[in-house]
Amino acid sequence: DAGITQSPRHKVTETGTPVTLRCHQTENHRYMYWYRQDPGHGLRLIHYSYGVKDTDKGEVSDGYSVSRSKTEDFLLTLESATSSQTSVYFCAISAPEMAQSSYNSPLHFGNGTRLTVT
Amino acid sequence: AQSVTQLGSHVSVSEGALVLLRCNYSSSVPPYLFWYVQYPNQGLQLLLKYTSAATLVKGINGFEAEFKKSETSFHLTKPSAHMSDAAEYFCAVSSETSGSRLTFGEGTQLTVNP
Repeated sequence: DAGITQSPRHKVTETGTPVTLRCHQTENHRYMYWYRQDPGHGLRLIHYSYGVKDTDKGEVSDGYSVSRSKTEDFLLTLESATSSQTSVYFCAISAPEMAQSSYNSPLHFGNGTRLTVT
Repeated sequence: AQSVTQLGSHVSVSEGALVLLRCNYSSSVPPYLFWYVQYPNQGLQLLLKYTSAATLVKGINGFEAEFKKSETSFHLTKPSAHMSDAAEYFCAVSSETSGSRLTFGEGTQLTVNP
């Protein structure tokens, strides 16, 4: 799994509580991503990071924040969880600077975190 | 903007039959295209990618895909399905304007019947 660990693997939480998901990589890749997977929507990008303390929003960033204080860790925080954030969350990494072209570097995914907000 | 459409959320084939999973893309600039596979309770794994070097791309597990610019398609095929091919398959697109961020299709669940 390309040295990617997501924690926790499963979590149930109540509406209104903050939740933090962690992604840890051992590949020293520069780029990290958080996606959510929902039936009928495929995977949608929440936030991504292109270096320590360098992050940017994806297409579904509302209600989420991220932090990256070290190359190996990328944290996703749901500031006040809602039922619409019940989903499977995937972390991915890539090393575009190592690819033939910086725009076709494949993503390597973790095994996901299944989050249920009740 | 870029997007991907996967035709058919569910495809069912018999073991040994041809597998054809359809993907059409939309991109205002030359695309880079990918197919990923997801087995139950796992993350996505790269099957193959198109990077403009060759229009017919061979991937792992006997899969291949052909880039057809005139049809804006990147369909995934395998001549003979195995039971182990049962999984969900995702087509994805990136481009020089999107950088390394991929846009995924909705996925196609492949069932292989004995």
